[in-house]
Amino acid sequence: ETGVTQTPRHLVMGMTNKKSLKCEQHLGHNAMYWYKQSAKKPLELMFVYSLEERVENNSVPSRFSPECPNSSHLFLHLHTLQPEDSALYLCASSRDTSSGRISTDTQYFGPGTRLTVL
Amino acid sequence: AQTVTQSQPEMSVQEAETVTLSCTYDTSENNYYLFWYKQPPSRQMILVIRQEAYKQQNATENRFSVNFQKAAKSFSLKISDSQLGDTAMYFCAFMKPGSGTYKYIFGTGTRLKVLA
Repeated sequence: ETGVTQTPRHLVMGMTNKKSLKCEQHLGHNAMYWYKQSAKKPLELMFVYSLEERVENNSVPSRFSPECPNSSHLFLHLHTLQPEDSALYLCASSRDTSSGRISTDTQYFGPGTRLTVL
Repeated sequence: AQTVTQSQPEMSVQEAETVTLSCTYDTSENNYYLFWYKQPPSRQMILVIRQEAYKQQNATENRFSVNFQKAAKSFSLKISDSQLGDTAMYFCAFMKPGSGTYKYIFGTGTRLKVLA
């Protein structure tokens, strides 16, 4: 266990559903990340939050909506997804020592949520 | 744009032997960091080793070491005395710090199987 938990671990949803993925870190970190891991493709960084402010958004479709209510929790709200959005969604956290300039510190990953969109 | 290439999709090694996983990257940056991550089957991804680009000395962590060739933009991982628990996907990653210009780019991974 790395100190980062994600729920649910598996999710099946239809294209018209609305669901949310949750990530929680117990490491005292202040930066959190969402990644998408698809088969045969590199991990894709989706969003970065530092000190609860979104600092990076890598051209992710608006059907993915992140939320970071505090430094320990990160959500990814999903709505009207497409089948090609099926993937493993990984959350990570790190210690941002650069006052929002994004840290160089090690990222700790959660186990991921396996999402299937029908 | 930065890219990370892992040219070996799959590799296998006998237990107790040494194996080297290759990684090359492309960047025009001077300040960056390189990482190797390990993702065991159905388990969480964890950091194996990291290297700061400004350091010439190769990073080592117990049985894991890197061969960092900055001019060649090469960052290979050597695993000595391979163990069954080393069986996993290994990802090479490039990170450029900085708000608004932050990049964290992963390679496609190398699946390593350690044989008994």
